[in-house]
Amino acid sequence: DGGITQSPKYLFRKEGQNVTLSCEQNLNHDAMYWYRQDPGQGLRLIYYSQIVNDFQKGDIAEGYSVSREKKESFPLTVTSAQKNPTAFYLCASSMTGATGELFFGEGSRLTVL
Amino acid sequence: GENVEQHPSTLSVQEGDSAVIKCTYSDSASNYFPWYKQELGKRPQLIIDIRSNVGEKKDQRIAVTLNKTAKHFSLHITETQPEDSAVYFCAASSPFGNAGNMLTFGGGTRLMVKP
Repeated sequence: DGGITQSPKYLFRKEGQNVTLSCEQNLNHDAMYWYRQDPGQGLRLIYYSQIVNDFQKGDIAEGYSVSREKKESFPLTVTSAQKNPTAFYLCASSMTGATGELFFGEGSRLTVL
Repeated sequence: GENVEQHPSTLSVQEGDSAVIKCTYSDSASNYFPWYKQELGKRPQLIIDIRSNVGEKKDQRIAVTLNKTAKHFSLHITETQPEDSAVYFCAASSPFGNAGNMLTFGGGTRLMVKP
């Protein structure tokens, strides 16, 4: 069953801790993305990767890091440098970049206590 | 960079009425305009999209119009049903440095269809 899987669905973190969100896809898509969703602010791009071992910063990359060691995987690390990390995080993938359909995961909700 | 404004932020309609959501964009180089629907607790899904060489596109009860001169595009839903209740996001795809094109999303519209 093809798709994009995010884990965990819910995550709680203490201030000062790093946390890594997993994103895996079996759609054979080249491009993968991480978005942050806050109420009333739409989806804001954190990082983007067009190809293995390459990624680009999005509009709100500060305090986040990513890696793209495999085509199927694009994990996001929320570091302690992110000032307001509590949010809903969505991973997505597409075949050809941003002029094709984005397929989203079900999201990960991070709460910093 | 691209800036996408979406209005209204909330919209309540009676079942059977039409709903219209409007978006404006700033980058004249944008050439792809998708609309995503996000039901409560679920992932966003593409419902319709339009490219810059087309002025209008329809798919059953939904349609999108694009005015490149004015840099705005709209989503029209006719004969609304309770299952249309969701958050709708517009987006515009524009050149993004060396990374190719990138989607910029509007702030979303929460549509509520009252039975």
